Amino acid sequence: DVKVTQSSRYLVKRTGEKVFLECVQDMDHENMFWYRQDPGLGLRLIYFSYDVKMKEKGDIPEGYSVSREKKERFSLILESASTNQTSMYLCASSVLTGGHQPQHFGDGTRLSIL
Amino acid sequence: RKEVEQDPGPFNVPEGATVAFNCTYSNSASQSFFWYRQDCRKEPKLLMSVYSSGNEDGRFTAQLNRASQYISLLIRDSKLSDSATYLCVVYLNTGGFKTIFGAGTRLFVKA
Repeated sequence: DVKVTQSSRYLVKRTGEKVFLECVQDMDHENMFWYRQDPGLGLRLIYFSYDVKMKEKGDIPEGYSVSREKKERFSLILESASTNQTSMYLCASSVLTGGHQPQHFGDGTRLSIL
Repeated sequence: RKEVEQDPGPFNVPEGATVAFNCTYSNSASQSFFWYRQDCRKEPKLLMSVYSSGNEDGRFTAQLNRASQYISLLIRDSKLSDSATYLCVVYLNTGGFKTIFGAGTRLFVKA
């Protein structure tokens, strides 16, 4: 089974802090994704990566950056946390193929910015 | 208009009932379709892929109607354990990579 592991289930930070969310997958997947999920809005893509050191902006990249130095690890960084970044953050991975493959998700990190 | 729309529900049904959800999508470039299930405070998990010919997995049946641009999920003989949020997912092939998640339909199955 694919295992996607996020570093924290719950996290509380203060406004203005730099926040790091870590994600590791163990299936050698090329694609990795960061989403946030808010009530009534569904999952919104923040950034994704299809290879080491490669990154692409998703639908809502403002206020975030990412890092993929190793294939198995994809980090999401909140440069200066704000209260509107309080959300559930989900990491996912998938195989890179010509056709679409389903994404496998981590347990999620519930982040609160005070 | 959202690219993928679902009735948010909630759908409240008794055990043993049959329930159906629809999901509409707006982009005709949509190529692949999935239903995911998400339990409360948990991550989404793939329930099933949706094929043009329709597909069935036990009590679950998924259908795709490309002409009308919607997909459906039918659950027969509902169980208490089916209570969850069901997410419709559409993959677009527009020369770039795009996966769009619906906001989900909540289902409560009651004894």
